[in-house]
Amino acid sequence: DIQMTQSPSSLSASVGDRVTIACRASQNISSYLNWYQQKPGKAPKFLIYAAYNLQSGVPSRFSGSGSGTDFTLTITSLQPEDFATYYCQQSYVPYTFGQGTKLEIK
Amino acid sequence: QVQLQESGPGLVKPSQTLSLTCSVSGGSISSGGYYWSWIRQQPGKGLEWIGYIYYSASTYYTPSLRSRVTISVDTSKNQFSLKLSSVTAADSAVYFCARVRTVAGLINWFDPWGQGTLVTVSS
Repeated sequence: DIQMTQSPSSLSASVGDRVTIACRASQNISSYLNWYQQKPGKAPKFLIYAAYNLQSGVPSRFSGSGSGTDFTLTITSLQPEDFATYYCQQSYVPYTFGQGTKLEIK
Repeated sequence: QVQLQESGPGLVKPSQTLSLTCSVSGGSISSGGYYWSWIRQQPGKGLEWIGYIYYSASTYYTPSLRSRVTISVDTSKNQFSLKLSSVTAADSAVYFCARVRTVAGLINWFDPWGQGTLVTVSS
């Protein structure tokens, strides 16, 4: 299985800040990497596919980059509704997720 | 748009079989083009993919659970189901069903998701 490792596991930021979350794959996954946002008690929400393509309706302050084994999710100008846990997921079966990054309000 | 809804017992005894159903509305499983998945999340933990099924009943299961998992589909009811045998407390989790959208080859993702259902394994 391909292991996905996210860093940091948690971070604190303020409204208006720019944050970056990293995701590393244990082997080359090209650009087959997705990002999700999960709020407490809710199902994950799909944000980005194939490393950098925004799902329709996702605000443009979200962006993704990377290829191979190293990827990032960047949120510019944090909004109150962005405080949540973020997961990366690679697209080779068996699908695997990162352990999550909890974004908290400072 | 397509919506998914999980249903099933919230409490299962150790060594028994966990059974859940995902009902799909707003679209037909039989129309093809999508895989239908189960994913779980243990309390306070991350997401673990369990497996998927195609409308033709073709399946793929994650290796760590393969010996205990069965996913089936009922196209007449527009539902798919999960059975997990010989459960222990470690199988206590929120279980989500989700659709796998594939654009091309390995460009695929989970969307939408059901709201999730909590299953506790306890005597």
